[in-house]
Amino acid sequence: AQSVSQHNHHVILSEAASLELGCNYSYGGTVNLFWYVQYPGQHLQLLLKYFSGDPLVKGIKGFEAEFIKSKFSFNLRKPSVQWSDTAEYFCAVNAGAAGNKLTFGGGTRVLVKP
Amino acid sequence: EAQVTQNPRYLITVTGKKLTVTCSQNMNHEYMSWYRQDPGLGLRQIYYSMNVEVTDKGDVPEGYKVSRKEKRNFPLILESPSPNQTSLYFCASSLFRASSYNEQFFGPGTRLTVL
Repeated sequence: AQSVSQHNHHVILSEAASLELGCNYSYGGTVNLFWYVQYPGQHLQLLLKYFSGDPLVKGIKGFEAEFIKSKFSFNLRKPSVQWSDTAEYFCAVNAGAAGNKLTFGGGTRVLVKP
Repeated sequence: EAQVTQNPRYLITVTGKKLTVTCSQNMNHEYMSWYRQDPGLGLRQIYYSMNVEVTDKGDVPEGYKVSRKEKRNFPLILESPSPNQTSLYFCASSLFRASSYNEQFFGPGTRLTVL
């Protein structure tokens, strides 16, 4: 069965610092990759997605992610965070043969200090 | 407005008292799904439905039931809730095309506490 690992459970950083969140998955076939964000008290929002093509994808709010197939990774980055980026971030994978099923990582809580 | 709604948003109950969490979508989506979110575990799929009267187990179905009698509704039923079902529950919906993934839209969540 496929699985998704997010290496950092908690990240604390200051405004204007750069952010990188790791995500690795275990599935050898075609995958669709996602990053979701959950702001405090709110539901999940899609930040960005990768289906095919350019492995560097840009999402909303200045986030980007890079798909490295050889490393089974899909890391999320933002060059300069803001206090409003405080949230929990989830990496998710859809295996090509799994219909619409998403498998999520455990999440990373990010706290940005003003 | 296109949306997925869940009710109730918050619920505190006691062990063994049957409850239902409703989920409704107004986007004419075929696919609907329930997830539970627990700290450190992310979201895990409980049940899903690819269309009316078609449901199947996800990764953590024990202790839950679902039904899909109408396209827009996909209630989650806990016949005899236990404390280990205390969690945050999300409903999601999407179009369903067997040959491709379709973006899922999530509801606002239901926080359930079982005492």
